[in-house]
Amino acid sequence: GNSVTQMEGPVTLSEEAFLTINCTYTATGYPSLFWYVQYPGEGLQLLLKATKADDKGSNKGFEATYRKETTSFHLEKGSVQVSDSAVYFCALSSLNTGNQFYFGTGTSLTVIP
Amino acid sequence: DVKVTQSSRYLVKRTGEKVFLECVQDMDHENMFWYRQDPGLGLRLIYFSYDVKMKEKGDIPEGYSVSREKKERFSLILESASTNQTSMYLCASSFRGAGYNQPQHFGDGTRLSIL
Repeated sequence: GNSVTQMEGPVTLSEEAFLTINCTYTATGYPSLFWYVQYPGEGLQLLLKATKADDKGSNKGFEATYRKETTSFHLEKGSVQVSDSAVYFCALSSLNTGNQFYFGTGTSLTVIP
Repeated sequence: DVKVTQSSRYLVKRTGEKVFLECVQDMDHENMFWYRQDPGLGLRLIYFSYDVKMKEKGDIPEGYSVSREKKERFSLILESASTNQTSMYLCASSFRGAGYNQPQHFGDGTRLSIL
């Protein structure tokens, strides 16, 4: 079956710290992988995506590399800001899911000044 | 930019009421989805639709129904609201495209409280 496992939160970091949020997946075939961000009181926004092995998605200083050998898609940012405080969701979509997505449970990040 | 609009940000209803949540998208997307989001459980798919008048059950359809009479509008219906349906409801849409790498685009959510 298909599933996504994210590191449990909450995560609290100081401003300018390095961020890693782990995401691993189980899927049949070759999924597309996504990171979404949810700011307080809002819906989910697409942050970045990668559609094949070794692809790197990037946006707003965030990066994630599609690692097929470790079935991972970890989210990283070199220097977080207070404005990055949000909940981050990893998700996958694959050929046998059609256009359905499988989401992780989300990781809450708080950045303190 | 894609715009997915949910009719209400906050809604309070009573047990036993019939509740309608509306969602409209402006990008001519074929696919539309309804999720509920609860702390510690992430997003769970309730229903989805690949085309007008077409619907498919997701992981937790019990107690819900949907309607898609027009391509841009997807309605979620709570037939007889119960307190365990208090939740955040998120609507999403996506382009069907040629593959499965099309992102879903989300509305801002409706926080529904059933008293």
